[in-house]
Amino acid sequence: DAGVIQSPRHEVTEMGQEVTLRCKPISGHDYLFWYRQTMMRGLELLIYFNNNVPIDDSGMPEDRFSAKMPNASFSTLKIQPSEPRDSAVYFCASSFFASPLHFGNGTRLTVT
Amino acid sequence: GQQVMQIPQYQHVQEGEDFTTYCNSSTTLSNIQWYKQRPGGHPVFLIQLVKSGEVKKQKRLTFQFGEAKKNSSLHITATQTTDVGTYFCADYTGTASKLTFGTGTRLQVTL
Repeated sequence: DAGVIQSPRHEVTEMGQEVTLRCKPISGHDYLFWYRQTMMRGLELLIYFNNNVPIDDSGMPEDRFSAKMPNASFSTLKIQPSEPRDSAVYFCASSFFASPLHFGNGTRLTVT
Repeated sequence: GQQVMQIPQYQHVQEGEDFTTYCNSSTTLSNIQWYKQRPGGHPVFLIQLVKSGEVKKQKRLTFQFGEAKKNSSLHITATQTTDVGTYFCADYTGTASKLTFGTGTRLQVTL
């Protein structure tokens, strides 16, 4: 099993640009989570899906953030327009109901 | 909302010393999961505790769940440099699917 796959590993962009982060969960997992990690705020849950349906997006910071899961094997997190305060490591994780989370390697986003 | 605090935030020990991190919650925890994140890496699952007063061991690591299910601890005996990283506890908030992570304890081990 290849594990949770995220791309890109690193993203450097200028303020105002659109950023799209991608995630492929582990096959057979029915939950997918997007977390953001910063020194100041730790690991924050942004949104999670169950069977491709968004269940709780209360952690999404503002309307500039959106996430989709068009099918069981793919999800995106989009930031438009990006701002310097969005700089962080974004993790995608998947699980099978209440089982431990499997994290991807993360995308380190830098917005200048 | 639920807050899961960990103490200490940071600890620096010499190799061979013991280390303990504590996870405290203002509300009753449903179950506790512990994760380890190496520098530059991603969180990796270590163990899950479900029952009040439960104690589990993994080699030099001992995990405990408090009797009142409001706290948990991770104890490492005779630390090694491979133990370096940040240790997180996490709990399911409300529903059985939303995992909230604690603030984490960063462990540094030197020779």
